[in-house]
Amino acid sequence: AQSVTQLDSQVPVFEEAPVELRCNYSSSVSVYLFWYVQYPNQGLQLLLKYLSGSTLVESINGFEAEFNKSQTSFHLRKPSVHISDTAEYFCAVSDDPGNTGKLIFGQGTTLQVKP
Amino acid sequence: DAGITQSPRHKVTETGTPVTLRCHQTENHRYMYWYRQDPGHGLRLIHYSYGVKDTDKGEVSDGYSVSRSKTEDFLLTLESATSSQTSVYFCAISEPSGTGRLYEQYFGPGTRLTVT
Repeated sequence: AQSVTQLDSQVPVFEEAPVELRCNYSSSVSVYLFWYVQYPNQGLQLLLKYLSGSTLVESINGFEAEFNKSQTSFHLRKPSVHISDTAEYFCAVSDDPGNTGKLIFGQGTTLQVKP
Repeated sequence: DAGITQSPRHKVTETGTPVTLRCHQTENHRYMYWYRQDPGHGLRLIHYSYGVKDTDKGEVSDGYSVSRSKTEDFLLTLESATSSQTSVYFCAISEPSGTGRLYEQYFGPGTRLTVT
């Protein structure tokens, strides 16, 4: 069965520093990959997604993620973080042959941006 | 905004009592999902629905039941709440793309349930 591992539960970083949040999944079969962001006391918001095509995908607020099939990874990066990026980030995978839309989530990584 | 609301937003209940959480959507989406979120576990799927009266179990369905009598409402019931069901519950929707594939989901604001 598919599984998703987010290697860091918490990532503290200073404002304007670069950051990488790591995500690995277990199966190398055809997958769809997602990053979601959750701000305190809110629901999850879709940050970016990989469905097919270019392995580098970008969000509107400066995050990017790269699909690496050989390493079964989908790490999230941002070259310069802001205080407002403080949130919990979830990686999710779908390898859904039955087309039920089910997603498998990682455990989450809390990004703490310090001034 | 995917037009998803959840009610109640917060609830405290006692062990052994029944509890029903409601998810309401305004966009007529066919697929709806219930997750629970717990520290260290991310989100785990409880049940999902692929149409009116069509539901199936997810990863952590024991102790939960669901019903969908209308497209816009998906109800999650804890028949006899236990302390292990203290959690934050999220509803989500999805809609097939032009190719018929399901991809991303969109989430409601969540319900924080405490079972004492």
